[in-house]
Amino acid sequence: NAGVTQTPKFQVLKTGQSMTLQCAQDMNHNSMYWYRQDPGMGLRLIYYSASEGTTDKGEVPNGYNVSRLNKREFSLRLESAAPSQTSVYFCASSEEPVSYEQYFGPGTRLTVT
Amino acid sequence: GQSLEQPSEVTAVEGAIVQINCTYQTSGFYGLSWYQQHDGGAPTFLSYNALDGLEETGRFSSFLSRSDSYGYLLLQELQMKDSASYFCAVRAFSGGYNKLIFGAGTRLAVHP
Repeated sequence: NAGVTQTPKFQVLKTGQSMTLQCAQDMNHNSMYWYRQDPGMGLRLIYYSASEGTTDKGEVPNGYNVSRLNKREFSLRLESAAPSQTSVYFCASSEEPVSYEQYFGPGTRLTVT
Repeated sequence: GQSLEQPSEVTAVEGAIVQINCTYQTSGFYGLSWYQQHDGGAPTFLSYNALDGLEETGRFSSFLSRSDSYGYLLLQELQMKDSASYFCAVRAFSGGYNKLIFGAGTRLAVHP
């Protein structure tokens, strides 16, 4: 039981490049989330998916797109990376509404130069 | 708007007790969660309070007062491994969906 996995762990992009962050969970959770964490700012929700086939914007969706490929996988895409997107990205899943506990992946550390 | 306030840093010695406070302002409040995050690691869930009162889980306890928009995390018998950042997070219905809004975190340093 791996929980929530994310790839890659580290990534360096140049401004304007694109990339997709991958996330998968093996806990059969319906809800999945993408957060970004900047120093001193806690975690901010980018997008979430309440169930397979649905996605909705969170607090800071600009510059990102998501795909809920199936119940297990939820990917985050940066179409044209900007230095302001330098951050640590966490994927999480939960069994809402049964439980409000969110399980987090190990994170992707992204630097945009 | 929505906001959470928690101290940025707390220092304590091994074996002591420390309390990390969290005050919040939000509409559509459902409950208050606490997460622990070690440097370079992922947040891990500690507790969730939906009702007023104290919830105890081993050395950690969490308290909520909905009328005061206030909660705290109490860590007892501190150990070096408790050095980490602690985030309070409000679960609220806002903007058309249920969301978890995180505070900026409290960095706890435990010294021998």
